[in-house]
Amino acid sequence: DAGVIQSPRHEVTEMGQEVTLRCKPISGHNSLFWYRQTMMRGLELLIYFNNNVPIDDSGMPEDRFSAKMPNASFSTLKIQPSEPRDSAVYFCASSLKVNTEAFFGQGTRLTVV
Amino acid sequence: AQSVSQHNHHVILSEAASLELGCNYSYGGTVNLFWYVQYPGQHLQLLLKYFSGDPLVKGIKGFEAEFIKSKFSFNLRKPSVQWSDTAEYFCAVNSGGGADGLTFGKGTHLIIQP
Repeated sequence: DAGVIQSPRHEVTEMGQEVTLRCKPISGHNSLFWYRQTMMRGLELLIYFNNNVPIDDSGMPEDRFSAKMPNASFSTLKIQPSEPRDSAVYFCASSLKVNTEAFFGQGTRLTVV
Repeated sequence: AQSVSQHNHHVILSEAASLELGCNYSYGGTVNLFWYVQYPGQHLQLLLKYFSGDPLVKGIKGFEAEFIKSKFSFNLRKPSVQWSDTAEYFCAVNSGGGADGLTFGKGTHLIIQP
């Protein structure tokens, strides 16, 4: 199994630009999570999906953030417009069920200048 | 809402020393508990997990953790650390019967000196 695959691994963009982060969960996993990791705030759960349906997006910081899961094998996290304070490592994770162990991708390091 | 508290933000030990990292959680119901490790520049990997049963859980690389329900604790231990254990360690919790994502502690940065 290839594990959770995220792209790109690194993204540098200018303030105001749209950023799209991509995630392919492990095949057969029903739940998908987006986390953000920063030095100040640690790991924060942004949103999670169960069977492609968004269940809890209370962690999404602002309306500039949106996430979709059009099918069981693909999800996107979009930031529009991006701001320097969005700079962080964004992790995608998947699990067989919501309340079981999560398997993490390698992360996308986003830098907004 | 759940919360997780890790007492030590930075720990420095010498090789062969014993390790104990503290983790306390706040949640009134049944919980699942996890320890994840993040090596420099890498993603999070599961060290061990507790769902139910024996409160002493053994994980990979010689790590173990003990769930003490009365203390709301899930401390991570290793009798003899190695230089390769240098990493960030995260305690996490989710509700055992519900449907929610993992809530993580702020992490403990462990440095092992050769």
